Amino acid sequence: AQSVTQPDIHITVSEGASLELRCNYSYGATPYLFWYVQSPGQGLQLLLKYFSGDTLVQGIKGFEAEFKRSQSSFNLRKPSVHWSDAAEYFCAARGGATNKLIFGTGTLLAVQP
Amino acid sequence: DAMVIQNPRYQVTQFGKPVTLSCSQTLNHNVMYWYQQKSSQAPKLLFHYYDKDFNNEADTPDNFQSRRPNTSFCFLDIRSPGLGDAAMYLCATSRVGQGSIQYFGAGTRLSVL
Repeated sequence: AQSVTQPDIHITVSEGASLELRCNYSYGATPYLFWYVQSPGQGLQLLLKYFSGDTLVQGIKGFEAEFKRSQSSFNLRKPSVHWSDAAEYFCAARGGATNKLIFGTGTLLAVQP
Repeated sequence: DAMVIQNPRYQVTQFGKPVTLSCSQTLNHNVMYWYQQKSSQAPKLLFHYYDKDFNNEADTPDNFQSRRPNTSFCFLDIRSPGLGDAAMYLCATSRVGQGSIQYFGAGTRLSVL
């Protein structure tokens, strides 16, 4: 079955520290891959996407993600976290027979001063 | 400018009293989606419209209905809200063929008293 896994439910980092959020997918073929961010009480904002080509993709707000086919992973990174990055981050994938957007369970990021 | 607009942002209803949530879009996308998101969970797809074609998810309760009178508007009707229907409801849109990127509204937070 198609699935997206985010192993980390909750992560706390210090402001200015680097960040990596993990995402693994299980699909028959490489799906389209997305990272969304959700601030409290808000909708989902698209950070970046991977369809094909260069495996390192740049997004908004200084985020980037790297697609690794061998590991079925699409991890999100940021070199220096700001307090405003505190939010919930969802990895999502779309592809296969149903073409539905399948979300991971999310990673809640806390940023401490 | 907001491209997917949900109204109201907060809705309080009584147990069993019908409620309608609204979504409009200025993107002219042909697909519109409704998701339910409970606290600390990933969004769960309820149904979607591909143009005028309605596609219900197999596990969406009959209590949830939807209408799409034109391209720009889509409504979510909850016929008899129960306490378990309290959640954030997210509307999203996409255009088939552009990698199917989904753009989300800010959501409507529904409380059931």
